[in-house]
Amino acid sequence: AQKITQTQPGMFVQEKEAVTLDCTYDTSDPSYGLFWYKQPSSGEMIFLIYQGSYDQQNATEGRYSLNFQKARKSANLVISASQLGDSAMYFCAMRGKSAGNQFYFGTGTSLTVIP
Amino acid sequence: DTGVSQDPRHKITKRGQNVTFRCDPISEHNRLYWYRQTLGQGPEFLTYFQNEAQLEKSRLLSDRFSAERPKGSFSTLEIQRTEQGDSAMYLCASSSNRGDNEKLFFGSGTQLSVL
Repeated sequence: AQKITQTQPGMFVQEKEAVTLDCTYDTSDPSYGLFWYKQPSSGEMIFLIYQGSYDQQNATEGRYSLNFQKARKSANLVISASQLGDSAMYFCAMRGKSAGNQFYFGTGTSLTVIP
Repeated sequence: DTGVSQDPRHKITKRGQNVTFRCDPISEHNRLYWYRQTLGQGPEFLTYFQNEAQLEKSRLLSDRFSAERPKGSFSTLEIQRTEQGDSAMYLCASSSNRGDNEKLFFGSGTQLSVL
């Protein structure tokens, strides 16, 4: 079975500071993908970043980076230089063959950026 | 606008009524997904299509739920004899590539309220 855990229901960060959103996962698949999505109040899920389980380097996309620690089964999202527009829900997700290649999402972390 | 569009954005219905939602994916995307999201939770997989073929359905999809994608383009999700427990955000997503790095592009969802 696949499971995604996000233990931080809510986080606050000062504008221009960096913040780390935690995500741990559990899977028996040898190959899987890890994703982060942002969901603003408008409801649309916006893709942020992807990490493959065999990727040697941590993924980066602009101000987003993924701190991938395979042995610990963690895939934390780091947002640098936070902006007011970063305030949203953030979901960690995983995809692997044992789940029929479906995406499994965590319960999300609500991030609030304080001016 | 070339993103995923969903209609309607909001639907209020009385228990026992039937409702139908529509999703128009990104035009070149052959894979289409339906997810359901309740308050405080991440999206939960319901079903997905590759072109017009419905390839997988979740156990969450009871007999009252049916989805179609008749020409491999837009899709509809119908809920018959709605129940209060059906109240949720219904999200549609599409993608064009298979593999571990498949990225889903989501619409803004249809918020269903069953009174």
